[in-house]
Amino acid sequence: GENVEQHPSTLSVQEGDSAVIKCTYSDSASNYFPWYKQELGKRPQLIIDIRSNVGEKKDQRIAVTLNKTAKHFSLHITETQPEDSAVYFCAASPGGKLIFGQGTELSVKP
Amino acid sequence: NAGVMQNPRHLVRRRGQEARLRCSPMKGHSHVYWYRQLPEEGLKFMVYLQKENIIDESGMPKERFSAEFPKEGPSILRIQQVVRGDSAAYFCASSPSAGGQETQYFGPGTRLLVL
Repeated sequence: GENVEQHPSTLSVQEGDSAVIKCTYSDSASNYFPWYKQELGKRPQLIIDIRSNVGEKKDQRIAVTLNKTAKHFSLHITETQPEDSAVYFCAASPGGKLIFGQGTELSVKP
Repeated sequence: NAGVMQNPRHLVRRRGQEARLRCSPMKGHSHVYWYRQLPEEGLKFMVYLQKENIIDESGMPKERFSAEFPKEGPSILRIQQVVRGDSAAYFCASSPSAGGQETQYFGPGTRLLVL
């Protein structure tokens, strides 16, 4: 079955710097790759997603890139702010269900 | 348009009791997914249901756990004879259709504590 690996597990940056989180997946049938942000005690919230027919997608300070050949995708956050501090999860969908990475705890220091 | 609803938000059970978790999908959504999040861990897929059908239950423990999504009413995740290791946050998500590329919207979760 699908397996998603996410790195790093923790990431600390200064406010205004960029943050990059990387994920790899194993199942070439996966064709949908969302990213969720989860604050402590809250539900996961979708921040951006990408489908297999595009290689890059951007929404303001957030961008995601996808390399289907290498089976990896990345989240880029520019001009980080303290409110970006949270746990970020990548996921891959081999059909219906989402298989999540282990999560990255991002800390943005003012 | 109300989002995904889950109840109860918090549930306390003693070992051996039953837990029933409910999920009402977003209006217009006919696909429901259940995920479990153990303390300090990630989200693990449990089961994917459509009205009156289980589509994929590959993540469900073989014993004590069951799920349904009846024609009328919410989806139910049922845990029989709970044990301490069942303590976790259980999230439900919904999507408007299948196909593997549909956005899934999460509910607020039910936090189950087994004493």
